[in-house]
Amino acid sequence: AQSVTQLDSQVPVFEEAPVELRCNYSSSVSVYLFWYVQYPNQGLQLLLKYLSGSTLVESINGFEAEFNKSQTSFHLRKPSVHISDTAEYFCAVSASTFTDKLIFGTGTRLQVFP
Amino acid sequence: DAGITQSPRHKVTETGTPVTLRCHQTENHRYMYWYRQDPGHGLRLIHYSYGVKDTDKGEVSDGYSVSRSKTEDFLLTLESATSSQTSVYFCATLGGSGTEAFFGQGTRLTVV
Repeated sequence: AQSVTQLDSQVPVFEEAPVELRCNYSSSVSVYLFWYVQYPNQGLQLLLKYLSGSTLVESINGFEAEFNKSQTSFHLRKPSVHISDTAEYFCAVSASTFTDKLIFGTGTRLQVFP
Repeated sequence: DAGITQSPRHKVTETGTPVTLRCHQTENHRYMYWYRQDPGHGLRLIHYSYGVKDTDKGEVSDGYSVSRSKTEDFLLTLESATSSQTSVYFCATLGGSGTEAFFGQGTRLTVV
């Protein structure tokens, strides 16, 4: 079975500062890794995903995440955050089969201050 | 975006009453899921479906049942609501590539 650990429940940061949201996973098989974002009073949206190939994946709004198999991590980073990045971020994992279900971490609330 | 509609969006119900939440999708996705979201727990899988009449339990299935009689509809039923089932419930489908989940807007359920 797979599991996900997000160590930081809240991350406060000032606008234009860099940020890293940490995610570690546990699995006995190969995995797919995901970051989802949830804006207030909304459902979750896919931010980026790692399936295979390049270990560095990017989103269209400047976030990136790097798959590190040896450290079983998939940390999310952004070099300069905006107020609009304030949201809750969830790391998720599924086994590398089409039918497997997504397992989510407990989430990290990113609060960006002006 | 996948068209996923959850109804109702908000509901207050009394302890011991049955409650049914509906998820409707217009994308013809085969896989559908029900999650609950609680502070400090993230999203936890309740039940999921891999086709019409094919369902299975997730990690927190006690007290819940589901049905899927049509591809587009996935119903979650609380047989006898309890206060511990107060939560925000999300429906999700799995996109055609099999690697992206699409979520509904959520249903906020309060059991008093």
